[in-house]
Amino acid sequence: GAGVSQSPSNKVTEKGKDVELRCDPISGHTALYWYRQSLGQGLEFLIYFQGNSAPDKSGLPSDRFSAERTGGSVSTLTIQRTQQEDSAVYLCASSFSSAGGYGYTFGSGTRLTVV
Amino acid sequence: DQQVKQNSPSLSVQEGRISILNCDYTNSMFDYFLWYKKYPAEGPTFLISISSIKDKNEDGRFTVFLNKSAKHLSLHIVPSQPGDSAVYFCAASAPRSGGFKTIFGAGTRLFVKA
Repeated sequence: GAGVSQSPSNKVTEKGKDVELRCDPISGHTALYWYRQSLGQGLEFLIYFQGNSAPDKSGLPSDRFSAERTGGSVSTLTIQRTQQEDSAVYLCASSFSSAGGYGYTFGSGTRLTVV
Repeated sequence: DQQVKQNSPSLSVQEGRISILNCDYTNSMFDYFLWYKKYPAEGPTFLISISSIKDKNEDGRFTVFLNKSAKHLSLHIVPSQPGDSAVYFCAASAPRSGGFKTIFGAGTRLFVKA
């Protein structure tokens, strides 16, 4: 597709359950990023994939969070044993590797609610 | 440690007037600064950027100014239009692992009144 696609758009889950969030980046974009936005907060960096390099996981808030990117394209963010503080909008973005000044293209996000 | 700070959570401006959104940063290693605009239920949209070697970049109604000595940048929108009402995120980018990593501020909600 022409843009970054995220699914599901909304997810309600019970505390303690695992969830998987999916991101389909723009074809040809080598870099992929996950951010999250909690209510009333800014965008918090989670993880960054660039080509075949080891991902930058420095933003993952706990070991319950993990992400993978298969075949340099689709990425899945997994949250295990969800907690209420995990409730947020999870945003995926992609870019060309040399996109420092050109910005990222974001998807519309997945709104996760943990009840 | 907030490397990118937007100290005004909201700003209200009359249609036709200038909107000035401010941003401060702490890390002198950033080499690009960007502004994104976000409408409700949508992802942020890239608006305009500036290289750290420049002090001004203009694109239509949008101009970004960079003051490196003060570690401060601002986005000017003139004239402001009701459709500009959105949350504006300031961001700063640094090269990392063959690409770029971007840190975002908390955002400023702009209201443009008709």
